[in-house]
Order: sequence, then C-alpha cells, then structure tokens
Amino acid sequence: AQSVAQPEDQVNVAEGNPLTVKCTYSVSGNPYLFWYVQYPNRGLQFLLKYITGDNLVKGSYGFEAEFNKSQTSFHLKKPSALVSDSALYFCAVRARDLGGYNKLIFGAGTRLAVHP
Amino acid sequence: GAVVSQHPSWVICKSGTSVKIECRSLDFQATTMFWYRQFPKQSLMLMATSNEGSKATYEQGVEKDKFLINHASLTLSTLTVTSAHPEDSSFYICSARDLREELDTGELFFGEGSRLTVL
Repeated sequence: AQSVAQPEDQVNVAEGNPLTVKCTYSVSGNPYLFWYVQYPNRGLQFLLKYITGDNLVKGSYGFEAEFNKSQTSFHLKKPSALVSDSALYFCAVRARDLGGYNKLIFGAGTRLAVHP
Repeated sequence: GAVVSQHPSWVICKSGTSVKIECRSLDFQATTMFWYRQFPKQSLMLMATSNEGSKATYEQGVEKDKFLINHASLTLSTLTVTSAHPEDSSFYICSARDLREELDTGELFFGEGSRLTVL
C-alpha cells in the first residue's frame, strides 16, 4: 500500500536551535516526495520536493530535506528555527490510482512549535 | 509561480441551503483539480478529482450527490455543497496541477481554502 507516515504529532523547538520533522513513506517505484506548510486558516504552501538527483534538497525559507532511500525517509530540517516557522507541516508522496492518474498522498501532519 | 485562487474564503450559511466554492488557476491551465476536506487538527482528506470536461472521480465514502463538482474549463472548478448541514462544516481546499508540467511529478498548487460554517 502507498502511504506516508509522520510519526510526531507535534515538535517543540527553541528558537535558534536546529529542527527536524520526520517523514517516512511507502510507495512502489521511484518516489516523488514533497513537503508543504500550512499556516492557520490558509491553504498549503510548497516548501520543496525530491524527484531525482542530489539526496539533499533545499527549499523555501531555509528549509531542506534529505532523501534516504534505504530508510525510506524524507525528513525536513532547518539549521536554525524561527518563531515564524511555527505551523503545520505535511509530507506527501506521489501515488498512482487505479486509473493511472497521479495524486498526492499526505501524511497526518506535524505541528511545529518554535518557542522564543 | 503558479497561483490558485479560491473563493469565498469564509462562508456561513443556514442548514438546508447550498453553497458553491470556486477554484481558479490564475496563470496556468489545469486539466485536473483536486478537492480536499480538512477537519480541525487533522490532515487533508481527498474528496474528489475534478477533470475538465468529464465527470469527477470521487473517493470512497464521499457522496457525489452531496458534493457536486463541475470542471467546466481549464481554469475553473467548482464544488457545491448541497443541502448543507452542520456536519458539513469544514475547511475545504482545492489544488491544481499545471498542464505544462512535463515530468508529471504530481506537484500540486493549492488554493487558500474556504471555511464553511453551517448553522
């Protein structure tokens, strides 16, 4: 089955410290992986994606993610957290439905709280 | 980047009325749009895939007669919640895929969401 797991409901980090938001996936074939961020009462904003190439992907707002094929993981990281990074983060993987169409499967989301 | 506009952002209606939510791709064409529903503090639940010029494909458990989807053009999809009831209150988010995306990576561009409150 194709799925995405975000094992942590919430991650708490002090401002200035590094942060990691975890994501593991299960998909057949080569994975196309995404991270999105959602602020309260807003839609989702694209952060970064892994399609192919370098395992370390750099994205918006200083975020990066590391693709690890052996561990089937795509953890989101940032060297120094900001209070403004506090939001809900979603990991997603491309999956094909029975009709052959692409769709994104989302993880449950991880709420990041950065404390001053 | 690709922009998706969703309208209205907020809507409050009486029980039994119908509400229409619009999703527009502003600077690209989208043969496929997706409608999600999000409950408080929960993930996005895919409701249906909207295909331009054809019937929408609904996910299991989603009532197609309750949630009417129309994708009449390459830049507009609408979701109509018919005979809304309080349990339909939720945050509805649309997304679209750029027709020009050659790699077909599955990347989606999201609208800002519409919060529906049914009294």
